[in-house]
Amino acid sequence: ETGVTQTPRHLVMGMTNKKSLKCEQHLGHNAMYWYKQSAKKPLELMFVYNFKEQTENNSVPSRFSPECPNSSHLFLHLHTLQPEDSALYLCASSPGQGWEELFFGEGSRLTVL
Amino acid sequence: SQQGEEDPQALSIQEGENATMNCSYKTSINNLQWYRQNSGRGLVHLILIRSNEREKHSGRLRVTLDTSKKSSSLLITASRAADTASYFCATDGETSGSRLTFGEGTQLTVNP
Repeated sequence: ETGVTQTPRHLVMGMTNKKSLKCEQHLGHNAMYWYKQSAKKPLELMFVYNFKEQTENNSVPSRFSPECPNSSHLFLHLHTLQPEDSALYLCASSPGQGWEELFFGEGSRLTVL
Repeated sequence: SQQGEEDPQALSIQEGENATMNCSYKTSINNLQWYRQNSGRGLVHLILIRSNEREKHSGRLRVTLDTSKKSSSLLITASRAADTASYFCATDGETSGSRLTFGEGTQLTVNP
């Protein structure tokens, strides 16, 4: 139990569907992150939020839309995805934005048909 | 370009043996971290070593850092079957802002 909870753990969706991934952290951290992990590729940073404000968008396509209503919750809204978007999406948090240790959730395994 | 690159990509050993994984990076760093990931799960932080440190220990883990060679190694002593996982190094380059850059990882298999 890392203190970072992601739901759902598994998601299968068609290319025309709209779905959302949810992340919640119980660690009192102020920074939250979305990472994408595809097979045979390094983890790719997607978005960074610090005190609810987006501070990094790593050139992510607009079909991925993040939302951070407060420092404890982070969402990733998905619409009109492509099969190549199938991956493990990992949420992480840290005390602040910077060089500290990241605390990861278990991930949401997404399959786009 | 990718900052951290692990070597080897895969390593298979017997229980009780030591496992050594290496990480090379390209630009100057503030610190280097090692993470572990069990299959299909999230990453778990193992150890952080700062650029002014040369060696660090945590239980059966020993990490070294050679900034002149831009490389680090992770040694797991007396390995156990439960150590089977992927191991990633992550670096924060001095110019990469908040971005931790991960390598592709080393898949370690410890056979009972």
